[in-house]
Amino acid sequence: TQLLEQSPQFLSIQEGENLTVYCNSSSVFSSLQWYRQEPGEGPVLLVTVVTGGEVKKLKRLTFQFGDARKDSSLHITAAQPGDTGLYLCAGGSYIPTFGRGTSLIVHP
Amino acid sequence: SAVISQKPSRDICQRGTSLTIQCQVDSQVTMMFWYRQQPGQSLTLIATANQGSEATYESGFVIDKFPISRPNLTFSTLTVSNMSPEDSSIYLCSVGRDSTDTQYFGPGTRLTVL
Repeated sequence: TQLLEQSPQFLSIQEGENLTVYCNSSSVFSSLQWYRQEPGEGPVLLVTVVTGGEVKKLKRLTFQFGDARKDSSLHITAAQPGDTGLYLCAGGSYIPTFGRGTSLIVHP
Repeated sequence: SAVISQKPSRDICQRGTSLTIQCQVDSQVTMMFWYRQQPGQSLTLIATANQGSEATYESGFVIDKFPISRPNLTFSTLTVSNMSPEDSSIYLCSVGRDSTDTQYFGPGTRLTVL
């Protein structure tokens, strides 16, 4: 079974701060996805990374896939209250494995 | 991507009753997935639903408790049977659409069992 460990589990910050969320595994993944889930909603895909060392940017969000394709990070610059939500990483083929998520609260 | 809808969006049910959740996709897909998300937790896969065959259940989930139908390539239902308060969760359906194994989720059904 492939496991994904996310850290930190909880994060509470002020608007304007930067933050990084980590997703780590001992297994190699063919691809890895990051989702954001807001309360009362289903997870929404933010990005998929497939190449070791790949860096993708989505406005203030920067996603990186480790060279060995075992880990990934999500960096948010100048966080805003609208970034509040549960951030989930997922990886694996056929049926993805989900991390436990990082619950982010950005205070105005 | 895929557009997925679920019904109902939320429900409050009495212990011992059953609830059927519907999932509709805007295009044909081979596999549909049902997940449970308990309060404050990540997603746990309940089963994989393929059209024309019985669903494949993950460890800890059984067909008698969570019967699934998959009558065609755009629709599936999940029934939560003989409910107890421990079944209070968000239930999510999803589909995989591309070679990168990305999942596209429905908005979820928030179930509260009293």
